[in-house]
Amino acid sequence: GESVGLHLPTLSVQEGDNSIINCAYSNSASDYFIWYKQESGKGPQFIIDIRSNMDKRQGQRVTVLLNKTVKHLSLQIAATQPGDSAVYFCAEYSMEYGNKLVFGAGTILRVKS
Amino acid sequence: GAGVSQSPSNKVTEKGKDVELRCDPISGHTALYWYRQSLGQGLEFLIYFQGNSAPDKSGLPSDRFSAERTGGSVSTLTIQRTQQEDSAVYLCASSLEGQAFFQYFGPGTRLLVL
Repeated sequence: GESVGLHLPTLSVQEGDNSIINCAYSNSASDYFIWYKQESGKGPQFIIDIRSNMDKRQGQRVTVLLNKTVKHLSLQIAATQPGDSAVYFCAEYSMEYGNKLVFGAGTILRVKS
Repeated sequence: GAGVSQSPSNKVTEKGKDVELRCDPISGHTALYWYRQSLGQGLEFLIYFQGNSAPDKSGLPSDRFSAERTGGSVSTLTIQRTQQEDSAVYLCASSLEGQAFFQYFGPGTRLLVL
């Protein structure tokens, strides 16, 4: 069925540490995986995406890793800053779903100063 | 504007009333999506418009929910006879055709049904 889930609902990290947010997905036919950041009172904001034929993709302070063997996706944030505090969602895109994304439940990231 | 805009930003209504939520997508984006986000939950797909094609309404939770998109741009989500369980944030997103994996979201409308 269509499901994208997250392992940890809340993650607290110290400012300057690295953060890792995890996501499990169920559809091995998905073409894209996307991470969104949602700050309080705002809509989700695109962070980074990765195609299904890739294992790793790096952005500015963020890295997404895709392990298709175990259907696992992770978002790594380097040197976490207070401005990184938000809810992070993974989303899954597949032609099987039509032109829409299937979102996971979200992980709250809290950065302690 | 440069981004997706939604209005109103907040809406409080009484149970049984109808509400209309508006979305202005990014200019040039032919695809438009509506999602519902309940407190502490992920995004639940509601409906998708692409150009002049018939919309994908597969996510609408009941026949009290409907949406229109006029002129291929502005969209209105209507909830009739609102119920308390309709209280949520309603998010609109838009994208270029065929790029559902790259959606831009609006700030949402926070609906509270008393």
